Amino acid sequence: DAGITQSPRYKITETGRQVTLMCHQTWSHSYMFWYRQDLGHGLRLIYYSAAADITDKGEVPDGYVVSRSKTENFPLTLESATRSQTSVYFCASSESPVHTEAFFGQGTRLTVV
Amino acid sequence: TQLLEQSPQFLSIQEGENLTVYCNSSSVFSSLQWYRQEPGEGPVLLVTVVTGGEVKKLKRLTFQFGDARKDSSLHITAAQPGDTGLYLCAGGSNYKLTFGKGTLLTVNP
Repeated sequence: DAGITQSPRYKITETGRQVTLMCHQTWSHSYMFWYRQDLGHGLRLIYYSAAADITDKGEVPDGYVVSRSKTENFPLTLESATRSQTSVYFCASSESPVHTEAFFGQGTRLTVV
Repeated sequence: TQLLEQSPQFLSIQEGENLTVYCNSSSVFSSLQWYRQEPGEGPVLLVTVVTGGEVKKLKRLTFQFGDARKDSSLHITAAQPGDTGLYLCAGGSNYKLTFGKGTLLTVNP
């Protein structure tokens, strides 16, 4: 099916473990984004990518790693999870983030215990 | 860092009332987008405004982009319970979108 999908939808992990959140889009959009959403902070940009093999830091990149070897995939890795990384993570894609719609996945609720 | 301030943060009104949500920044944006988010879902685009002073209408929703492209407003006429949700403004510049913290709107029947 066309769209943007995130997996898993829910994840519980322990402090210090590595965890990877997956994001896949079927539109061949150039731009992809990772946001985290927390009460009191809204949506904050973690990393974004303008094309395959091109990534850049957003507002809150510390503790996260991204890669984009293929246009359609943009995984987000927490190298050593901390409790402060408990959040809802949203992936989004867009053809032109300034002038056209950003399409969001349904989110991954991550709990670090 | 470009910041977008939304107000009010929370709004609870009765069905049929009118309301306005504001989105302000000290930065100039190339565009301003409004999204609506429901619980357990990702945000969904309502409108994009690009030109300073631009006004767009979407049924009972009216969106305005400030002349200086630093602020925007969303006005809802005769609110309905189906309008309940989190309304987010997002400023577009430098190939990314910066979001405000959102306005949580509750419309009571």
